[in-house]
Amino acid sequence: SAVISQKPSRDICQRGTSLTIQCQVDSQVTMMFWYRQQPGQSLTLIATANQGSEATYESGFVIDKFPISRPNLTFSTLTVSNMSPEDSSIYLCSAKMGMLGTDTQYFGPGTRLTVL
Amino acid sequence: DQQVKQNSPSLSVQEGRISILNCDYTNSMFDYFLWYKKYPAEGPTFLISISSIKDKNEDGRFTVFLNKSAKHLSLHIVPSQPGDSAVYFCAASDGATNKLIFGTGTLLAVQP
Repeated sequence: SAVISQKPSRDICQRGTSLTIQCQVDSQVTMMFWYRQQPGQSLTLIATANQGSEATYESGFVIDKFPISRPNLTFSTLTVSNMSPEDSSIYLCSAKMGMLGTDTQYFGPGTRLTVL
Repeated sequence: DQQVKQNSPSLSVQEGRISILNCDYTNSMFDYFLWYKKYPAEGPTFLISISSIKDKNEDGRFTVFLNKSAKHLSLHIVPSQPGDSAVYFCAASDGATNKLIFGTGTLLAVQP
C-alpha cells in the first residue's frame, strides 16, 4: 500500500482567491488522481494527474479552474482558482501502484476547503 | 445520472450482529468493485474488493457478494463492532479507464 499525505489539511479562503493543495506519496506510484467531495455528496473524480504532461479532466472540470501539476512519480498539486463558495468541499488525492483496473486506489486524508 | 447507488443513507446495528450494506449499479461495463470506509476528517480506507468473475470475496469479518444479473453488491460485516461505525462507500470501475465511480455512502452506527 501507499501512504499519502496532503497539505494543508484545511483552509478558509476568501472568494476570488486561489489555493494550491499538495499531495505527497511515500513511494513511486503509477497513477495519481484528484477527487472532490461536496457537502453531503459522494466522491467525484476531478482529473487524472499525468506525470510530465497535462492532466486528464473529467466532464465538468476544466484546467483553468483546477490546474494540476505532477512533476514526478510521488508528488502532485491541485489548485482551486478564483474560488467561490460553491468550491467549498473536501479535496482528496489518491494513488495506484499499478495500471491494472484491479489495482487498489489509496486515498490521502483530504483537504477541507471553506470559501467565504 | 448516478451510476452507483447506495439507497440507504444510514444503518444502525447492535454490536455482535451482522451489518449488511447494499449497493446497486447501472453500468454493465463495470467489472471491478470496491468498498471503502471513511471516518470523519480522514480519507477513505480500502476495505475489500471483488472482480466481476467472482460472486463472493471474504476477508476476515468482511464479505462482499456480487450479483451481476441484478447489478447488485453487498458488504456483510460479522460480527459488527463499535469501531466499525463509519461511512461506507461502494465504488466501481470498468478496468479500462482506472476511474472509480462512487456511491453516495451509508453511515453505519454500531451500538454497544
